[in-house]
Amino acid sequence: LAKTTQPVSMDSYEGQEVNITCSHNNIATNDYITWYQQFPSQGPRFIIQGYKTKVTNEVASLFIPADRKSSTLSLPRVSLSDTAVYYCLVVAWTSGTYKYIFGTGTRLKVLA
Amino acid sequence: EAGVTQFPSHSVIEKGQTVTLRCDPISGHDNLYWYRRVMGKEIKFLLHFVKESKQDESGMPNNRFLAERTGGTYSTLKVQPAELEDSGVYFCASSPPEAQETQYFGPGTRLLVL
Repeated sequence: LAKTTQPVSMDSYEGQEVNITCSHNNIATNDYITWYQQFPSQGPRFIIQGYKTKVTNEVASLFIPADRKSSTLSLPRVSLSDTAVYYCLVVAWTSGTYKYIFGTGTRLKVLA
Repeated sequence: EAGVTQFPSHSVIEKGQTVTLRCDPISGHDNLYWYRRVMGKEIKFLLHFVKESKQDESGMPNNRFLAERTGGTYSTLKVQPAELEDSGVYFCASSPPEAQETQYFGPGTRLLVL
């Protein structure tokens, strides 16, 4: 199962675009890339998921290069409420299940 | 549509006691997962139900942990007897049969064993 590597922490200011890059060198052909957001005392919240190229939804964009060994979560115009831990996961089908492997995540702090 | 719910939100018990955690998945989600995060560690997979069947229980730490999903709806995770190292946050997640790669998490149950 592919383990991910991402920055431990990042700071940003309100209104800025934030890009968090994740490395997943061992990603397999059928694996998905998924990002979650977690606030203190809450469960992880699904943000976005992709397989290749670019995916965009109402809250974020996900950029995946052709080799799929990394991915970048882009949060446009962050606000203070975006302060959270962001997890990058490679979702692999193994032993009849999609087993999520969480890393330490990236602690994003948005400053006023 | 209601999300994944978990009960209780917090539980404080003494070592040796029994605790039962409950998870109600999103309606229609056949897949139900249990995870936990012990203090200072990463969120770890415990097991996966497909309807009422255990698909993968490779993450269950030992036989003090028993998970059930009778009828394929809600699930319970019982810890008996609880030990100090069982303290942590227990998360439940569910996913629909047509999109198993996306899991939706509940708020978690914070368990403290004294």
